[in-house]
Amino acid sequence: AQRVTQPEKLLSVFKGAPVELKCNYSYSGSPELFWYVQYSRQRLQLLLRHISRESIKGFTADLNKGETSFHLKKPFAQEEDSAMYYCALSGGGAQKLVFGQGTRLTINP
Amino acid sequence: GAGVSQSPRYKVAKRGQDVALRCDPISGHVSLFWYQQALGQGPEFLTYFQNEAQLDKSGLPSDRFFAERPEGSVSTLKIQRTQQEDSAVYLCAIGPLLPNEQYFGPGTRLTVT
Repeated sequence: AQRVTQPEKLLSVFKGAPVELKCNYSYSGSPELFWYVQYSRQRLQLLLRHISRESIKGFTADLNKGETSFHLKKPFAQEEDSAMYYCALSGGGAQKLVFGQGTRLTINP
Repeated sequence: GAGVSQSPRYKVAKRGQDVALRCDPISGHVSLFWYQQALGQGPEFLTYFQNEAQLDKSGLPSDRFFAERPEGSVSTLKIQRTQQEDSAVYLCAIGPLLPNEQYFGPGTRLTVT
């Protein structure tokens, strides 16, 4: 079965501190992993995807197949990073996304 | 460019009423998805269209839920005899802009009283 687990519903860090949002997945094949973000009063939008291996807004995420994890990291958090973050996977030809329950990140000044 | 609108943005229905939620892709996209997002949860897949063909409806929670996309563009999600547990945000997404990437609409918040 496909499953995405985000163990932290809430995460609060101070501005300038490092931040890591955890994501673990369960999938029998080779999934594609994504991080989506939803800022206050905005639509859900793609932040980054593992196959592009890029850094967006200072965030990076590395796919660890051995640990089945795709943690999102940023070395120095900024107040504008406060948002809901969802980890998601897509596998095979189904294309549908399977989401975790989300982590609400709050950056304190 | 990519874009999708949803209407209405908010809907309050009395239990037992039927509702229809609309998804309108601004530009033509082959794939269209519906998701249900309950309060405090991540979005959950409901159904998927490729053009007008509904290829996957495995996520529809009951036979009260019905979706259509007759001309391969606008899609409607219909919920018959609404129940309180249907209260959620219903998201429409289009794709792919890149392989497996989806672009989400603003959602319709349905409240069943």
